[in-house]
Amino acid sequence: QKEVEQDPGPLSVPEGAIVSLNCTYSNSAFQYFMWYRQYSRKGPELLMYTYSSGNKEDGRFTAQVDKSSKYISLFIRDSQPSDSATYLCAMNNNDMRFGAGTRLTVKP
Amino acid sequence: DAGVIQSPRHEVTEMGQEVTLRCKPISGHDYLFWYRQTMMRGLELLIYFNNNVPIDDSGMPEDRFSAKMPNASFSTLKIQPSEPRDSAVYFCASSSGNQPQHFGDGTRLSIL
Repeated sequence: QKEVEQDPGPLSVPEGAIVSLNCTYSNSAFQYFMWYRQYSRKGPELLMYTYSSGNKEDGRFTAQVDKSSKYISLFIRDSQPSDSATYLCAMNNNDMRFGAGTRLTVKP
Repeated sequence: DAGVIQSPRHEVTEMGQEVTLRCKPISGHDYLFWYRQTMMRGLELLIYFNNNVPIDDSGMPEDRFSAKMPNASFSTLKIQPSEPRDSAVYFCASSSGNQPQHFGDGTRLSIL
């Protein structure tokens, strides 16, 4: 079993839809949780960073962490074609672990 | 504010040649990471440095790979001799302490 599991998709939604991206993990020592966005031919770009369980909101993006279930989510409201990218979850204690990434396409 | 800078952006070379990838981390960051990304295996950590000292190189695939960090503003990843299976995108990232890592735009390496 991988330490971090993420459905690779691909996921295709119409513009304006709410998108839900998820990761599960097995190592309860992870304390920091991140979401990165990666556009084609670019490096991963930090999108959201959370430490504790609960929700963190930034504009159209909401990151949710449930440590008891070892489950994290990223919600994108009012999705736009410019949100089309691969989204990678990541988590860290002393070592960083990445999910495989979910490829998202938002169609106009 | 300059991010992580990698060079070259693209490299195409023949099998057996030496390849050197370069990275300039964000000024003030004390951690530097080298990753390899492929469709099959995703993002794999190869090696990381703290204060210019290699801490964990367990992800380096074999002895053909080596990495150095001679000072706080420069690191290299070298492959000698290169093989077609080394073709991938190589990323450098840097961070400060336990803060999130910031990535460069990668070097797309093709070994023919």
